[in-house]
Amino acid sequence: EIVMTQSPATLSVSPGERATLSCRASQSVSSNLAWYQQKPGQAPRLLIFGTSTRATGIPARFSGGGSGTEFTLTISSLLSEDFAVYYCQQYSNWYTFGQGTKLEIK
Amino acid sequence: QVQLVQSGAEVKKPGASAKVSCKASGYTFISYAIHWVRQAPGQRPEWMGWINGGSGNTRYSQNFQGRVTFTRDTSASTAYMELRSLRSEDTALYYCARESNSFDVWGQGTMVTVSS
Repeated sequence: EIVMTQSPATLSVSPGERATLSCRASQSVSSNLAWYQQKPGQAPRLLIFGTSTRATGIPARFSGGGSGTEFTLTISSLLSEDFAVYYCQQYSNWYTFGQGTKLEIK
Repeated sequence: QVQLVQSGAEVKKPGASAKVSCKASGYTFISYAIHWVRQAPGQRPEWMGWINGGSGNTRYSQNFQGRVTFTRDTSASTAYMELRSLRSEDTALYYCARESNSFDVWGQGTMVTVSS
């Protein structure tokens, strides 16, 4: 099983600033990497697939990068609605999720 | 609009079975696979497996092999997940999700609580 590890566990950032979240895979997943946002009481919402392609309706302030085993999600200028938990997911070899990064207001 | 609507919360005793439904609308059901993902309180999502909406072919995570069954009713555009021999560790939110560029549409989740 491919293990996904996210860092940091919690990230405190002020609105308007940039946030960068990291995700590492235990083996190469090529570009088969997605990012999801989850708010309390809601299902995960697809943000990014294929490492860097934004899903339908996702604003341009969300961007993804990386390849192989190291990936990042960057939110360029945080809005209040962006504070949530973010998960990465690999779909190269079955499907596994990271443990999540909680993005909180500083 | 594309949506998946799941059945309501269930409370089960240990050893019982739970069956969750996932009704699709707004797209051609048989053209996509439906995946099942569960999430225990405060935990990361855990993939359970998938069912092909058209063929009915299934694939299960090894973690659930032998204890879970996915079915679908194409006439009702509905997928089902049955989990048997429930134990307390199965208490979680169970989601269905459509496969398109990973999981692009999710149901609202169904809480299954296992308690004696």
